[in-house]
Amino acid sequence: QSVLTQPPSVSGAPGQRVTISCTGSSSNIGAGYGVHWYQQLPGTAPKLLIYGNTNRPSGVPDRFSGSKSGTSASLAITGLQAEDEVDYYCQSYDRSLRGWVFGGGTKLTVL
Amino acid sequence: QVQLQESGPGLVKPSETLSLTCTVSGGSISNSDYYCAWIRQPPGKGLEWIGSLYYSGNTYYNPSLKSRVTISVDASKTQFFLKLSSVTAADTAVYYCASLVHGIDYFDYWGQGTLVSVSS
Repeated sequence: QSVLTQPPSVSGAPGQRVTISCTGSSSNIGAGYGVHWYQQLPGTAPKLLIYGNTNRPSGVPDRFSGSKSGTSASLAITGLQAEDEVDYYCQSYDRSLRGWVFGGGTKLTVL
Repeated sequence: QVQLQESGPGLVKPSETLSLTCTVSGGSISNSDYYCAWIRQPPGKGLEWIGSLYYSGNTYYNPSLKSRVTISVDASKTQFFLKLSSVTAADTAVYYCASLVHGIDYFDYWGQGTLVSVSS
């Protein structure tokens, strides 16, 4: 049971927009801690996609964007491409656990 | 650019201690800007934070693993270590070392990961 809750899977057609939600609580996202997103290709280490709720590291396409509201956050992907069909994880800090926490991960399927 | 590389045995027997090393090159993460961190991922499952070590020497561990985990760093601060004692099959996972940005709390650089299997 992950501290941050993500849907196990989402899907969309090429060119469409999809969102992946990340729901936390008042001890993590709702406490004001940043939400960060990672993309993981099969057999590789996670790659930072969004940090500090909305910021993209250099090299990440602007098709990827993040938002946060209350105890939840979302990752939006526009102009879906076949290469986006991988796993996505959200991450934050939890003050009750005094540690860093991840969502359970979401597998994106491009139809 | 900082590069991280995990190393250690790929097979550990139940009840023994898992020991891994993370070698840092191309830069330093042993300063006030970073923590050194370990994260694991069981086959087919999600990511689990194991623990982090700050340059001051302070350590922070996942409460679910705290009694079995030790993270340390060598004197040169170019290698940091993970020890996980009394392992069981549930500890079989890909283990990643990563740098954790202090204050913003995200993992920016990751090693490639190393699979550790627990089996007799």
